[in-house]
Amino acid sequence: AQTVTQSQPEMSVQEAETVTLSCTYDTSESDYYLFWYKQPPSRQMILVIRQEAYKQQNATENRFSVNFQKAAKSFSLKISDSQLGDAAMYFCAYRRGQAAGNKLTFGGGTRVLVKP
Amino acid sequence: EAGVAQSPRYKIIEKRQSVAFWCNPISGHATLYWYQQILGQGPKLLIQFQNNGVVDDSQLPKDRFSAERLKGVDSTLKIQPAKLEDSAVYLCASSSLVGDGSSGANVLTFGAGSRLTVL
Repeated sequence: AQTVTQSQPEMSVQEAETVTLSCTYDTSESDYYLFWYKQPPSRQMILVIRQEAYKQQNATENRFSVNFQKAAKSFSLKISDSQLGDAAMYFCAYRRGQAAGNKLTFGGGTRVLVKP
Repeated sequence: EAGVAQSPRYKIIEKRQSVAFWCNPISGHATLYWYQQILGQGPKLLIQFQNNGVVDDSQLPKDRFSAERLKGVDSTLKIQPAKLEDSAVYLCASSSLVGDGSSGANVLTFGAGSRLTVL
């Protein structure tokens, strides 16, 4: 079974600075997708960024970027120019294969605190 | 487009009582998921439907939890009888069978969740 591990329960960052969240995963599959979701206090999970395993280029979405190390099974998220609105729980998630409808497996989450 | 609708937002019950949660996915989304998120943990899949059929219910405690999606649209998750350890947020998500954009990776869209407290 696939597992996703987030080793940092909480990270603190000063507004406008950069923070990096770690994620490792375990799988025997070669075809999969990785995601970072944000969950603010409102509880709604919001997709931040996704990465296809077959792509070597790291995904970026505005201030969010990932460092995907397939051999090491590592998938970290970098938040640049942190804003107060970035404060939330962040979850790393894994999805197997190309077939539509495959489930997401989540890590335990990292709480991000942004200091003004 | 309208998002994933869930109700109720909050529910407080005593142990051994029953409770039901409702979810209406994004229009046209064939796949619907129910996740359980215990405080301080990541969401865990309880059950996954594709149209009105069950794809995965391996982690659903079937002695007390049941779910249905009779017409392949909205879905109900029921707990009977509830236990203290069922206190959690129940998240519903949906996705299309058609991959989006160039990646082919269908994306799950989540509702705001239903928070259950069992006393």
